[in-house]
Amino acid sequence: GNSVTQMEGPVTLSEEAFLTINCTYTATGYPSLFWYVQYPGEGLQLLLKATKADDKGSNKGFEATYRKETTSFHLEKGSVQVSDSAVYFCALRALGGNTPLVFGKGTRLSVIA
Amino acid sequence: NAGVTQTPKFQVLKTGQSMTLQCAQDMNHNSMYWYRQDPGMGLRLIYYSASEGTTDKGEVPNGYNVSRLNKREFSLRLESAAPSQTSVYFCASSASSGGAGGDTQYFGPGTRLTVL
Repeated sequence: GNSVTQMEGPVTLSEEAFLTINCTYTATGYPSLFWYVQYPGEGLQLLLKATKADDKGSNKGFEATYRKETTSFHLEKGSVQVSDSAVYFCALRALGGNTPLVFGKGTRLSVIA
Repeated sequence: NAGVTQTPKFQVLKTGQSMTLQCAQDMNHNSMYWYRQDPGMGLRLIYYSASEGTTDKGEVPNGYNVSRLNKREFSLRLESAAPSQTSVYFCASSASSGGAGGDTQYFGPGTRLTVL
């Protein structure tokens, strides 16, 4: 079946450090890929998405590129801020039929000043 | 637009009690979902409704029932609560669940449920 594997946290970085959170997936065909972010005490909100191979999603300085050859969708940011502290979820949606999102387990990021 | 709203925000139950979690969306979305979030487990789908009048089981449906009351509302019922159902519950909605696959899911703020 479809699945998402993302790096385990927690990840602790200093402000202005470079961030990478790895995400790989297993799915048939060409799924759509998403990164969601959950700030403390809140629900999830979409951070970025990509719907086909080689697409790059970007938002708020975060980027992720849909790599079909490596079945990956790693999240990157060049310079993190304290306000980026949150839990990040990678997710996929397979094409066709009624296909809800499949989520990874989440990676907690803490950014310290 | 309020987006996706959930009630209550917090609830404490005793084992064996029943309760219904309410969810409503004002975005005219066709599809609605219920997830639970547990530490180290990510989000797991309980039930979903691809369109008004339909419901389907997700990954962890045991112990739960759902009702798609109308296009706006999708409720989750625990008939006889158990400690294993202690979790944070999220409702979400999207314009559709299939098609091009790029539809964004919008989440509510969650209900934190404790079963003693």
